[in-house]
Amino acid sequence: QKEVEQNSGPLSVPEGAIASLNCTYSDRVSQSFFWYRQYSGKSPELIMSIYSNGDKEDGRFTAQLNKASQYVSLLIRDSQPSDSATYLCAVNKISGSGSARQLTFGSGTQLTVLP
Amino acid sequence: DVKVTQSSRYLVKRTGEKVFLECVQDMDHENMFWYRQDPGLGLRLIYFSYDVKMKEKGDIPEGYSVSREKKERFSLILESASTNQTSMYLCASSNEPGVGRLGEQFFGPGTRLTVL
Repeated sequence: QKEVEQNSGPLSVPEGAIASLNCTYSDRVSQSFFWYRQYSGKSPELIMSIYSNGDKEDGRFTAQLNKASQYVSLLIRDSQPSDSATYLCAVNKISGSGSARQLTFGSGTQLTVLP
Repeated sequence: DVKVTQSSRYLVKRTGEKVFLECVQDMDHENMFWYRQDPGLGLRLIYFSYDVKMKEKGDIPEGYSVSREKKERFSLILESASTNQTSMYLCASSNEPGVGRLGEQFFGPGTRLTVL
């Protein structure tokens, strides 16, 4: 089982729709969860962080965390063509020393928003 | 805003050359990371550093070394470049996770290295 799993997609949604991106993780002790957006040929850009169960909203983006189910999702409302990118889920990785410095990244979901 | 800069956006080197990739961050972050990203393989951690002169191996350290002489600067060294090291190299930095700090990583623009 991969440590962080995402549907690879590609996921296509029409402009104005809600895009739903999902991520599951295997390490129950993980505490912090992140969503990055990566445009083709560019570096990942942090768009959301979440550490508490429930929803966190920032503009058109909502991150949802359910630690009991080991599940984190990203909803993009009113999707725009400019949202077309690969979205990476990342989870903090607890090392043997107890450090949470490292992140484990999923392989990403490619989203296309159709005009 | 956090700013992470990398010395080159594109680099072309010959097999066997020694290659230096430099990364600088301006947010006084404790941690710095080097990744490579290849199609179908995702982001893979090469090395990271949690303090000046301190380093730890990531998932794929073979063929690489690193140097962190100053807090803001982290260098990746390819001792003898090979064609299988052709890749996108990404540097990132983060705060040390703690109370009120999640340890988000912020990435530089990347260096696309081609080894011929």
